Amino acid sequence: DAGVIQSPRHEVTEMGQEVTLRCKPISGHNSLFWYRQTMMRGLELLIYFNNNVPIDDSGMPEDRFSAKMPNASFSTLKIQPSEPRDSAVYFCASRGLAGGFYEQYFGPGTRLTVT
Amino acid sequence: QQQVKQSPQSLIVQKGGISIINCAYENTAFDYFPWYQQFPGKGPALLIAIRPDVSEKKEGRFTISFNKSAKQFSLHIMDSQPGDSATYFCAASRFGNEKLTFGTGTRLTIIP
Repeated sequence: DAGVIQSPRHEVTEMGQEVTLRCKPISGHNSLFWYRQTMMRGLELLIYFNNNVPIDDSGMPEDRFSAKMPNASFSTLKIQPSEPRDSAVYFCASRGLAGGFYEQYFGPGTRLTVT
Repeated sequence: QQQVKQSPQSLIVQKGGISIINCAYENTAFDYFPWYQQFPGKGPALLIAIRPDVSEKKEGRFTISFNKSAKQFSLHIMDSQPGDSATYFCAASRFGNEKLTFGTGTRLTIIP
């Protein structure tokens, strides 16, 4: 099992540029989550999907952020235009049923730096 | 009502000692309580989880204690080792299949 796969692992971009983060969830998992982690704000849930449908996007900071899940094996988080305050580690996580529990597993993260 | 309060913010324990991290919640509908371990530069990893139908769950050196009436749960790490040095997050969700509400994290350092 490859786990949750995220790409790129590191991204450095200039303010104003578009950034696209990618995630491949664990096969068979039907929920996908995007989080952002910073020292100041900790771990924040941005949006999550059940069966490819967005369920809760209340954590998306503003209209510059958008997320899609076109199929069960792929999701993107896009920031356009990017700003220095978007610098953070972005995690994707997927969740599936295992032994009667819904267990959530995180990917390795994408470290985004906006200069 | 959705908050999960975690303490302490940081903890230093001597090697071989017991590390204890506490969490308290308000939403009585929460019924799934996992703990995550995060090493620097890595994503949080699921460590151990409990449902409120039991008061304790043990996996190796890690134990979750759960007090439903007090709405509290804690992580105990027995015989703490330097390799346990990491940030630990408690979390809770309703019905186990809704979004997790995370605590603010505890940075644990195990000293020789």
